[in-house]
Amino acid sequence: QQQVKQSPQSLIVQKGGIPIINCAYENTAFDYFPWYQQFPGKGPALLIAIRPDVSEKKEGRFTISFNKSAKQFSLHIMDSQPGDSATYFCAAKYAGGTSYGKLTFGQGTILTVHP
Amino acid sequence: DVKVTQSSRYLVKRTGEKVFLECVQDMDHENMFWYRQDPGLGLRLIYFSYDVKMKEKGDIPEGYSVSREKKERFSLILESASTNQTSMYLCASSMVRISYEQYFGPGTRLTVT
Repeated sequence: QQQVKQSPQSLIVQKGGIPIINCAYENTAFDYFPWYQQFPGKGPALLIAIRPDVSEKKEGRFTISFNKSAKQFSLHIMDSQPGDSATYFCAAKYAGGTSYGKLTFGQGTILTVHP
Repeated sequence: DVKVTQSSRYLVKRTGEKVFLECVQDMDHENMFWYRQDPGLGLRLIYFSYDVKMKEKGDIPEGYSVSREKKERFSLILESASTNQTSMYLCASSMVRISYEQYFGPGTRLTVT
């Protein structure tokens, strides 16, 4: 049972477009929500992260929007570039000291940005 | 820079073989994780370790075991490989006293025939 549900599975946009990837969760015991970016042949790498007491976080062209009441969060990529083509994963961390930073990941979104 | 290395990029094994996947991190991280990545399923946690010789099951531990004899090294063991264990295996490490960021290795593509 996937505790974090991610959509869409794949996404194609033109250069300059604003792709949006959505995630929803059920478990209210999550307290940290990161996004990871994975290029072909590489492991995922942390892109941006947010805590549930903040509704939005922006880093460069990447923005996370967080809706605590709806248990949803999304990644927006402004002015997307072909170099942003990658697989994106949302994730959630279990709260509590014994979680050891354990993450549960969404299913992933393959983003293609055409020139 | 944190570096997480995995022993093989590609591995082909036969059904029933015992398979060892090795992971080494060079940043003295406390926590280490093994995931498998499958299309449409994302990353699923197999096992993790929060200290030497300490381990906990993740979401899909069946058919796998792990070993952590040294802080920098975390091994994933497939006792008797099966075709449904054909997958990409990713190792990660973190130090939660500093941040929750997990640093991933490049992955091992395992094919079981």
